[in-house]
Amino acid sequence: ETGVTQSPTHLIKTRGQQVTLRCSSQSGHNTVSWYQQALGQGPQFIFQYYREEKNGRGNFPPRFSGLQFPNYSSELNVNALELDDSALYLCASSLEGQGSVQYFGPGTRLTVL
Amino acid sequence: AQSVAQPEDQVNVAEGNPLTVKCTYSVSGNPYLFWYVQYPNRGLQFLLKYITGDNLVKGSYGFEAEFNKSQTSFHLKKPSALVSDSALYFCAVRDDTGRRALTFGSGTRLQVQP
Repeated sequence: ETGVTQSPTHLIKTRGQQVTLRCSSQSGHNTVSWYQQALGQGPQFIFQYYREEKNGRGNFPPRFSGLQFPNYSSELNVNALELDDSALYLCASSLEGQGSVQYFGPGTRLTVL
Repeated sequence: AQSVAQPEDQVNVAEGNPLTVKCTYSVSGNPYLFWYVQYPNRGLQFLLKYITGDNLVKGSYGFEAEFNKSQTSFHLKKPSALVSDSALYFCAVRDDTGRRALTFGSGTRLQVQP
């Protein structure tokens, strides 16, 4: 186990709704990254937070947003859900550094109907 | 832009035989390379990384990987496969220019037959 937890485990929403996913990072880690893994594909980088500041963003539309709290836990918010948003959302925590390893949580499976 | 290619969707190997899962990469600066494994309905588990130093990196569960700068490759290997090694394997890269995101390959499914 990596010590990274995510909630909820599964979620079913309908098109147009909004969703909030949560991540608790491993103790001592100050960086959280979010990835989207569509079925049969590798994870795609959404964004990263370092000490509550956004530290990079992937090629995702603005309706994907997030934040990091003082305890370094994090939220991913997705507005105006689309069918293509159905995926496994992975959170990874790390201690900032060039060679640092990102440790992943079990993910949240989002289904958009 | 950085990228990772895993040319094989699936690798089949008999238990006890050596296995290789291939990965090639492209980055602007010096590469930091990682291998992760994913079991069904689970997150990614870290196996090993290459930052600098020896080209042969040893990791968890008997896995190792060989970094080849001239061929821009980072193949995952294990001398003797186990049935329990059957899973989805991802190669990932980040560069040393400050961008912190990992870029993943599309994954290779390893099937070890008894």
